[in-house]
Amino acid sequence: GQQLNQSPQSMFIQEGEDVSMNCTSSSIFNTWLWYKQDPGEGPVLLIALYKAGELTSNGRLTAQFGITRKDSFLNISASIPSDVGIYFCAGLTPNTDKLIFGTGTRLQVFP
Amino acid sequence: DVKVTQSSRYLVKRTGEKVFLECVQDMDHENMFWYRQDPGLGLRLIYFSYDVKMKEKGDIPEGYSVSREKKERFSLILESASTNQTSMYLCASSTGRGYTFGSGTRLTVV
Repeated sequence: GQQLNQSPQSMFIQEGEDVSMNCTSSSIFNTWLWYKQDPGEGPVLLIALYKAGELTSNGRLTAQFGITRKDSFLNISASIPSDVGIYFCAGLTPNTDKLIFGTGTRLQVFP
Repeated sequence: DVKVTQSSRYLVKRTGEKVFLECVQDMDHENMFWYRQDPGLGLRLIYFSYDVKMKEKGDIPEGYSVSREKKERFSLILESASTNQTSMYLCASSTGRGYTFGSGTRLTVV
């Protein structure tokens, strides 16, 4: 099945640093979603983007829906230890309810 | 608070057993999905359903079947469990604007 190209694959950062990750696709999407997964848990929705060019914030998280509808990025500012986890992007294909997931970015935050 | 509930967090089954993984959502969502998640392979879609008694194959349906007799319940069935079906199984439901996931069932087949 199709997967999105998500980068970086993993990040090891110091508490307080900013983080940036992105997803690209060869296909267009009409919705981009960003999820976080803690160990042993299911993914939890962080941010949903429904319009090309849209920039949305959720606390220290900011995400953008690319103008071409083929990419999205997620920024986390001033990281804290509880930001540790795996972050997934996901794109919703037009006229379906099937989500295509990115390969995930594993984030480690050191105090 | 809206919820997707998976009946078991951890399950250990023997090879050849028939295994049922249950998923219930309380959001009146039409669409429900089953994924498995394995290290290095990401989330892979097994089956999905857009309505009661309706089912569609995802990317890796072999060895699995599903049942959707009621809107709120979507069951994943392993007809004869094998060791390569050891995995984390995730259920999700949706209205078409984003999925809500359950907490997952970690299945080990021995």
